Amino acid sequence: GAVVSQHPSRVICKSGTSVKIECRSLDFQATTMFWYRQFPKQSLMLMATSNEGSKATYEQGVEKDKFLINHASLTLSTLTVTSAHPEDSSFYICSAPGQIPYEQYFGPGTRLTVT
Amino acid sequence: AQSVTQPDIHITVSEGASLELRCNYSYGATPYLFWYVQSPGQGLQLLLKYFSGDTLVQGIKGFEAEFKRSQSAFNLRKPSVHWSDAAEYFCAVGEGDKIIFGKGTRLHILP
Repeated sequence: GAVVSQHPSRVICKSGTSVKIECRSLDFQATTMFWYRQFPKQSLMLMATSNEGSKATYEQGVEKDKFLINHASLTLSTLTVTSAHPEDSSFYICSAPGQIPYEQYFGPGTRLTVT
Repeated sequence: AQSVTQPDIHITVSEGASLELRCNYSYGATPYLFWYVQSPGQGLQLLLKYFSGDTLVQGIKGFEAEFKRSQSAFNLRKPSVHWSDAAEYFCAVGEGDKIIFGKGTRLHILP
């Protein structure tokens, strides 16, 4: 099946710094990718949809300037958490759509800890 | 907006016992329904989905789910669980071009 990777799997950064998370589709091309955030014992919440060659579409309540999303190529989307604060600590998951409606291939996630 | 409720945060069953994880949804029309499993270090994996047709759907790893419109339910079942089934399970519903996830049920397996 289709594989989506994320890098890094874990990252610890200091408050005020920025951190970049990469999402790659390894054996297929994705013009769209989804970014989710998952708090402990909570559901996955869709943050934004990245679109290759155009601006990302953010969900209501998600700060565009804080969570910068770039879809640089048909196999790579990046999420940059700018000026990170401890409340940004979370599990970030990306996914890429498949061929049939609602089919998504999920990455393994990135655990961000801001100290 | 659609929503998904998983009333059980944690479920513990003995290995070899049967399993049922509950899921209720709110949606006026026939929903697109899913069950995903999340294991540590791995991405969410689709267990099964319901779009239309037969209300009893078979999935991978021996799981099945039954769509019950009258109860707005889509419960996940497995006749005999294995220790490797310990994981987080998410029920989800499709809305527009997005997937709305429930809060998940953590399954614990007793040896």
